[in-house]
Amino acid sequence: SQQGEEDPQALSIQEGENATMNCSYKTSINNLQWYRQNSGRGLVHLILIRSNEREKHSGRLRVTLDTSKKSSSLLITASRAADTASYFCATDARGGGADGLTFGKGTHLIIQP
Amino acid sequence: SAVISQKPSRDICQRGTSLTIQCQVDSQVTMMFWYRQQPGQSLTLIATANQGSEATYESGFVIDKFPISRPNLTFSTLTVSNMSPEDSSIYLCSVGVGSGGYTFGSGTRLTVV
Repeated sequence: SQQGEEDPQALSIQEGENATMNCSYKTSINNLQWYRQNSGRGLVHLILIRSNEREKHSGRLRVTLDTSKKSSSLLITASRAADTASYFCATDARGGGADGLTFGKGTHLIIQP
Repeated sequence: SAVISQKPSRDICQRGTSLTIQCQVDSQVTMMFWYRQQPGQSLTLIATANQGSEATYESGFVIDKFPISRPNLTFSTLTVSNMSPEDSSIYLCSVGVGSGGYTFGSGTRLTVV
């Protein structure tokens, strides 16, 4: 079953602008992860944030986590045409790679050149 | 991190037939996970495959429809049996990596006609 909602479902911005996507989840987690999927192919792991962390950065990516609100956000700064993809948040209840992930519904991001 | 080779990448099948999807990992892993992604939707976990024991299926998925084999620590197959058009989806396998994230195969795009 799906863990929660992501918004927006679709986002179209101009190249160079920042893109923000939000994710909510329902149950307690060990960590939350963000993935990118290009054209319905395999998923690429972007970043992982643990339940005791509030913010994490990786290159142009910034992720926040608010466990009290059961929500997370992904910010992509200085967007590029190559960032056009679907982005999914996914939660791992116990960590350790033993349980698989529960995915949000995803945000389809389009970067206009 | 692990690299997964998944095949076939796509197939068009007649209803009532079965398709077996294979995933080969370049390192030994305890757990392998199979997901379904219906058109325009997010990923849903089908089952977890542990070498030497029967796969564990999520609610809504049954072994008769999605039999899984896990003969060793680097290989697994998922069979989609007695297919109907509703089975048209992308099927992905996945393994956990040491950092807590997951690596995914490139997906199998199945169309049932």
